[in-house]
Amino acid sequence: EPEVTQTPSHQVTQMGQEVILRCVPISNHLYFYWYRQILGQKVEFLVSFYNNEISEKSEIFDDQFSVERPDGSNFTLKIRSTKLEDSAMYFCASSAPNTGELFFGEGSRLTVL
Amino acid sequence: GENVEQHPSTLSVQEGDSAVIKCTYSDSASNYFPWYKQELGKRPQLIIDIRSNVGEKKDQRIAVTLNKTAKHFSLHITETQPEDSAVYFCAASRLYSGGGADGLTFGKGTHLIIQP
Repeated sequence: EPEVTQTPSHQVTQMGQEVILRCVPISNHLYFYWYRQILGQKVEFLVSFYNNEISEKSEIFDDQFSVERPDGSNFTLKIRSTKLEDSAMYFCASSAPNTGELFFGEGSRLTVL
Repeated sequence: GENVEQHPSTLSVQEGDSAVIKCTYSDSASNYFPWYKQELGKRPQLIIDIRSNVGEKKDQRIAVTLNKTAKHFSLHITETQPEDSAVYFCAASRLYSGGGADGLTFGKGTHLIIQP
């Protein structure tokens, strides 16, 4: 069964450093998303991406964040200068054509020290 | 924007009993309401969803009901088993005809504990 894959599974970084989280969505999906989940809290929407551009973003997704689809398969989330409060699990997701059902990746745990 | 409230935050039931988790939403444009189960350290897994053109959907021991007028939807799990223990999240968004959707707004989650 096709899956959304994410790398790395866990990244530890120093405050102020740049981080790139990578995702490979399911191949026939057209809509891609990033969500985050701070430990013990709810899942929060960050950004959606379609046709090589951002279609929607939340208040959380400020100028420190950016997304890119550098080639035909990868979808990346970059945090320019990490803060302690960026520590969270980041989930990539893609949605099936015509159903909207989201398929989540296993997540990338980011720890900012 | 959309706001989703979820209750209760913790629910403890005896094995074999039923569990009900309730959510309300604020945006009348929302038309898609999925429920996710999340085990510790794992990704959210879709267990059932409902669209605004139906009032109820059932899949074996799991059912979801939707009241569009009142803007609330509920998850019902019957004959609960120990493996049902997890955190359950409701969510709401707007689906578009081309297959895209607004970002999901999640509730805060319900920690369901099944007592043996």
